[in-house]
Amino acid sequence: DARVTQTPRHKVTEMGQEVTMRCQPILGHNTVFWYRQTMMQGLELLAYFRNRAPLDDSGMPKDRFSAEMPDATLATLKIQPSEPRDSAVYFCASGKGQEGYNEQFFGPGTRLTVL
Amino acid sequence: DAKTTQPPSMDCAEGRAANLPCNHSTISGNEYVYWYRQIHSQGPQYIIHGLKNNETNEMASLIITEDRKSSTLILPHATLRDTAVYYCIVRGFGNEKLTFGTGTRLTIIP
Repeated sequence: DARVTQTPRHKVTEMGQEVTMRCQPILGHNTVFWYRQTMMQGLELLAYFRNRAPLDDSGMPKDRFSAEMPDATLATLKIQPSEPRDSAVYFCASGKGQEGYNEQFFGPGTRLTVL
Repeated sequence: DAKTTQPPSMDCAEGRAANLPCNHSTISGNEYVYWYRQIHSQGPQYIIHGLKNNETNEMASLIITEDRKSSTLILPHATLRDTAVYYCIVRGFGNEKLTFGTGTRLTIIP
């Protein structure tokens, strides 16, 4: 049963620290998405990649957030420095990215708390 | 992508059909209707999508009105595990981004 995996599942850190979240997309999927979910804003798209190239990161605060795909099996989302307002659940999703209407498969999320 | 409107919450008795409405009156011809759900503390899960014809899969049925301005997701025999937030999303062909609204919180009552 192919699934998107995310690590860590929970992270508690102090303001100013660097946070790195990792995602392993489903093998064969060429599109990877990063979402953030908070009570106030709901689910928001931060960035997405196709074939490891960033296509859209307009939802991401550029000064402190960065997203990369070092290889086809790993996507990372980094926050440096972290702030309390970054506390949220971060979801990674992957898809086949063909013809624009295939479903996205979501991982279990990383729950980030910044103190 | 067109905006959608959903009721904030609904209840349904276990074993009955759950009918979740969605209004998308500004939908355009090449935009699809997607449904996802999010069970508490989990990532969203794809349910079904359609363009103009009614669709059915192992999870649900999607009924789209002839003018495509609204749709209904039907869970034929709701179970307690169907308690979740259900999102109706309109997405243009070729647009890979999903824009989530506030959804409908469906509670299945034993």
